[in-house]
Amino acid sequence: QITLRESGPTLVKPTQTLTLTCTFSGSSLTTTGVGVGWVRQPPGKALEWLAVIYWNDHKYYSPSLRSRLSISKDASKNQVVLTLTNMAPVDTATYYCAHRPTSDGDYYYFDYWGQGTPVTVSS
Amino acid sequence: SSELTQDPAVSVALGQTVRITCQGDNLRSYPASWYQQKPGQAPILVIYVNNNRPSGIPDRFSGSTSGNTASLTITGAQADDEADYYCNSRDGVGTYVFGGGTKVTVL
Repeated sequence: QITLRESGPTLVKPTQTLTLTCTFSGSSLTTTGVGVGWVRQPPGKALEWLAVIYWNDHKYYSPSLRSRLSISKDASKNQVVLTLTNMAPVDTATYYCAHRPTSDGDYYYFDYWGQGTPVTVSS
Repeated sequence: SSELTQDPAVSVALGQTVRITCQGDNLRSYPASWYQQKPGQAPILVIYVNNNRPSGIPDRFSGSTSGNTASLTITGAQADDEADYYCNSRDGVGTYVFGGGTKVTVL
């Protein structure tokens, strides 16, 4: 069973940098094909993909947020860290981390999700 | 970047069949997956790579694809199926995209 848990601040001020940590178990970022991604959801709105990092340290970002995002991993701790700079009220959302399984194809989906962590941007 | 378009809302009578669609040019080349999300909860994968069900997902959920459209079908909808449903697929190299979501109401 794969489980993920997000942690980080619930409130940040405008212009600050958000740092979120995803800690997971039941999988490993040393396993070929495995990835961990981040997805956010503003209140009452749709899911928005942010970033993903793979076992081979390849990283990909949402084109619209690329300049503000950074993702990294510590495979020994089963952790993935996401940073989002220059936070603004429009970044208020629930932030989820999610597991991309190893597979026999180049597929883009997440099979397990964390419970999500709400982040509010306000002064 | 690509877009995936979903109808905002659909309704279905209890026990009947409902099909939720997801349209996008990238679906001609890449498979779609589907997630169920209930209020206040994290999404759950219900269909992956067009038509595969994860273990534990009832077989009333099925997926298909044709041209630029992926579909999620719920055959014999139950009250517990009332939720938001999102499709996702590949956008560019390494990047993901989600649809805008469809709210399913079971009457």
